[in-house]
Amino acid sequence: AQSVTQLDSQVPVFEEAPVELRCNYSSSVSVYLFWYVQYPNQGLQLLLKYLSGSTLVESINGFEAEFNKSQTSFHLRKPSVHISDTAEYFCAVTQTGFQKLVFGTGTRLLVSP
Amino acid sequence: DTAVSQTPKYLVTQMGNDKSIKCEQNLGHDTMYWYKQDSKKFLKIMFSYNNKELIINETVPNRFSPKSPDKAHLNLHINSLELGDSAVYFCASSQPGTDTQYFGPGTRLTVL
Repeated sequence: AQSVTQLDSQVPVFEEAPVELRCNYSSSVSVYLFWYVQYPNQGLQLLLKYLSGSTLVESINGFEAEFNKSQTSFHLRKPSVHISDTAEYFCAVTQTGFQKLVFGTGTRLLVSP
Repeated sequence: DTAVSQTPKYLVTQMGNDKSIKCEQNLGHDTMYWYKQDSKKFLKIMFSYNNKELIINETVPNRFSPKSPDKAHLNLHINSLELGDSAVYFCASSQPGTDTQYFGPGTRLTVL
C-alpha cells in the first residue's frame, strides 16, 4: 500500500518569496505522483504530475516539482509566490496502472503582502 | 464546457434522510470515482467504477450506494444520513492508462 506524508500543515510566506512544500511518499512498487491545488471553496485542480521521464516537472503557473526516488520525495517549489497562490496543496500517489489515488493531508499555503 | 460536473453544489439535510449526488463527465473517460473530504480536508477514495462496473470499494458503510447508469455518469446515493456524513464529496474521472484524475467542483453535504 502507498502512503503520503506532507509534514507542513501550513506554510506562511510573503509575496515574491520562494516556497517549498514538502511531500514524501512510501511505496514498495513504482508510482505516479501528483500535486493538486484547491483554492478556497473550490474543487481540486491538477497542478502537475510525474509519470515517467524527466524527474523535474513544471506547471504553467511557475510551480515545479522534482521526483527523487532515493529520498522518496516529490517536493513542490516556486521561486516567487503571488497572493493568488494562497490555497491548499495536496500531494498524491498512485501505484502505476492502478488508479487509486492516495492523498496527503494537505499543506495550506498562505501568501501575505 | 465543464469537464466533470456535480449537482447539487450544496446539500443541507436532516439526520435520517436519504439523498443523492449526481456526477457527469464529458471527457469520454471510462473510469469514475467518488472521494470524501472531511472537515480536516483529508481526502479519501470511496468508490471507483470502470465502464459501469464497480472496481474499488473502500470499506464504505453500505448506506452509501453508487450507481452508474452509463459510463458518463456516477451518482452517489446515501441512506439514513448521519452527522458524520457531513463532508465535501468529490467526483473524478480518468482514462485507463493515463492515471490522471480530473475532479469535479465538489458537493458540500451538511447533515443537521
